[in-house]
Amino acid sequence: QVQLQESGPGLVKPSETLSLVCSVSYDSISTFFLSWIRQTPGKGLEWIGYIHSSGNTNYNPSLKSRVAMSVDTSKKQFSLMLNSVTAADTATYFCAKHGTSAWDFESWGQGTLVTVSS
Amino acid sequence: EIVLTQSPATLSLSPGERATLSCRASQSGVSSLAWYQHKPGQAPRLLIHDAYKRAAGIPARFSGSGSGTDFTLSISSLEAEDFAVYYCQQTSNWPLIFTFGPGTTVDI
Repeated sequence: QVQLQESGPGLVKPSETLSLVCSVSYDSISTFFLSWIRQTPGKGLEWIGYIHSSGNTNYNPSLKSRVAMSVDTSKKQFSLMLNSVTAADTATYFCAKHGTSAWDFESWGQGTLVTVSS
Repeated sequence: EIVLTQSPATLSLSPGERATLSCRASQSGVSSLAWYQHKPGQAPRLLIHDAYKRAAGIPARFSGSGSGTDFTLSISSLEAEDFAVYYCQQTSNWPLIFTFGPGTTVDI
């Protein structure tokens, strides 16, 4: 059973960079597709992008200019960076492992709330 | 971009009743459709993938159906732990994008 846990600062200042880590408890992450997804009251659930354990990425076009994802397979950690944040980026951020078909999300973390405020 | 609409927004039912939740896509091109259950403070839970396939460990009272632009999640007989928010999610192949519906709240 895969377990995912998001971590990172709960408060980020406007114009700065949001940085989160997703730690994975599992034998190996060598074949993982992992997505970051956020939930805001106004826009519901929004897919941010995914990264494969090989390092290949695919980002939501609406956020592509501000997003970067990376993976450290030795630490079994995936990272999300979102720069130039505004109040609109205030959300609960989830990491989620894709299912076998890669078209759905079979395991999720519990999420971490990030507030953008000065 | 495909937009998903869910109806109703809220479904008020009693334990033992049947729940029928709808998810409609704004256009054709849905490659895959999944349903999730989400309770406050918990991780969302995959219920159904590929429109009708139950995920591992999901009780048989949950079933999915539909194709094209119209999809349905049914819960045959509601149990207390089923009261939650349910989201549908689609994957479109080109561009490869994942989008979610706004959710249906099933409450008592």
